Amino acid sequence: KQEVTQIPAALSVPEGENLVLNCSFTDSAIYNLQWFRQDPGKGLTSLLLIQSSQREQTSGRLNASLDKSSGRSTLYIAASQPGDSATYLCAVTFTGAQKLVFGQGTRLTINP
Amino acid sequence: DVKVTQSSRYLVKRTGEKVFLECVQDMDHENMFWYRQDPGLGLRLIYFSYDVKMKEKGDIPEGYSVSREKKERFSLILESASTNQTSMYLCASSRGQGLLNEQFFGPGTRLTVL
Repeated sequence: KQEVTQIPAALSVPEGENLVLNCSFTDSAIYNLQWFRQDPGKGLTSLLLIQSSQREQTSGRLNASLDKSSGRSTLYIAASQPGDSATYLCAVTFTGAQKLVFGQGTRLTINP
Repeated sequence: DVKVTQSSRYLVKRTGEKVFLECVQDMDHENMFWYRQDPGLGLRLIYFSYDVKMKEKGDIPEGYSVSREKKERFSLILESASTNQTSMYLCASSRGQGLLNEQFFGPGTRLTVL
């Protein structure tokens, strides 16, 4: 079964720290992987999309990496701020599935 | 910027009512999607559409139908609402042929069925 897992479910760090969020997936045959942010009670905001041929993507303080062979992606957040507090979701399009499969998310809290 | 809007942020309906959830996107995207999000279950795909008047079932289509009469609008219909359809409903869109491009989401509709 094609699944996406995010561990830990929740993470709390002091402001200013660099941090890494993890995403693992069960099948290395993927089209792409997308990271989203979700604030409480709101919709999803797309952060980064990595195609299967790419190793990483960067946007501002965010950097996402992709290692298909190990079935892993990481989202690196530099110099974290309280405004980064949100739930971060990873989603994968597996080859042949033609749809996004979502992880359960990591709820991130940045403490001032 | 892509903008996906949903007709209501919060909706309260009674069991047995017919419910319409509307989604509009302004970027001429070919593909549109309806998901529901529940604690512990994550996001699950209900239906998607890759063209006007075209629709495909997702993972949990039972109890739902959809309509796409215009490219920019995708409607989710609950023919006879039930309490187990209480959930957060999220609409998304993406461009291009196939379903492999970046998806952009709306703000969500929190539906409560009493």
